[in-house]
Amino acid sequence: DARVTQTPRHKVTEMGQEVTMRCQPILGHNTVFWYRQTMMQGLELLAYFRNRAPLDDSGMPKDRFSAEMPDATLATLKIQPSEPRDSAVYFCASGLDRDRGVGRRGETQYFGPGTRLLVL
Amino acid sequence: GENVEQHPSTLSVQEGDSAVIKCTYSDSASNYFPWYKQELGKRPQLIIDIRSNVGEKKDQRIAVTLNKTAKHFSLHITETQPEDSAVYFCAPSLPGRRALTFGSGTRLQVQP
Repeated sequence: DARVTQTPRHKVTEMGQEVTMRCQPILGHNTVFWYRQTMMQGLELLAYFRNRAPLDDSGMPKDRFSAEMPDATLATLKIQPSEPRDSAVYFCASGLDRDRGVGRRGETQYFGPGTRLLVL
Repeated sequence: GENVEQHPSTLSVQEGDSAVIKCTYSDSASNYFPWYKQELGKRPQLIIDIRSNVGEKKDQRIAVTLNKTAKHFSLHITETQPEDSAVYFCAPSLPGRRALTFGSGTRLQVQP
């Protein structure tokens, strides 16, 4: 049963420190998403990759957040420097985008277990 | 961008009753309408979805209905069980946009 994996599962750090979260998408999937979940804001998109190319990172604070896909099996989300307001659960999700037409339709996204981040 | 509203925000039912959650969206071009379930401390998981060329879809005790004219779709759970207790999110999406815009969630509590 293929699943998205994320590391670490929990992270406690102090304000100003760098945080790196990693995600391994399901083998063969070509889309990767980073979402952040908080009680106040709910589930928000941070970044979205297709075939390793970033397509949408408009939800991500550019001054401190960065998202990359060094290869097809690894996606990373970095926060530098971290702030208390970054405390949240960060989910990675992957999917398989088969459509190539203009009117592409959505496909199932498979979520990882999340990284619970606490910035003190 | 897409504006998504879910109602109600919380719902408590007795075991065996039905539950209905409604999701309203703003962009008439939306063509994909999934529902995700998130149990406490767990990841969101897709439970059912529907595409714009279909009005209703059923999967055992779960169904989704779509009203494109009114721009809303609903999740129906029949014969609810305690394990249905969770937060349910709708996430309508636009053509060509793979990322999901989630509703604020509905917390369903099924009382034994």
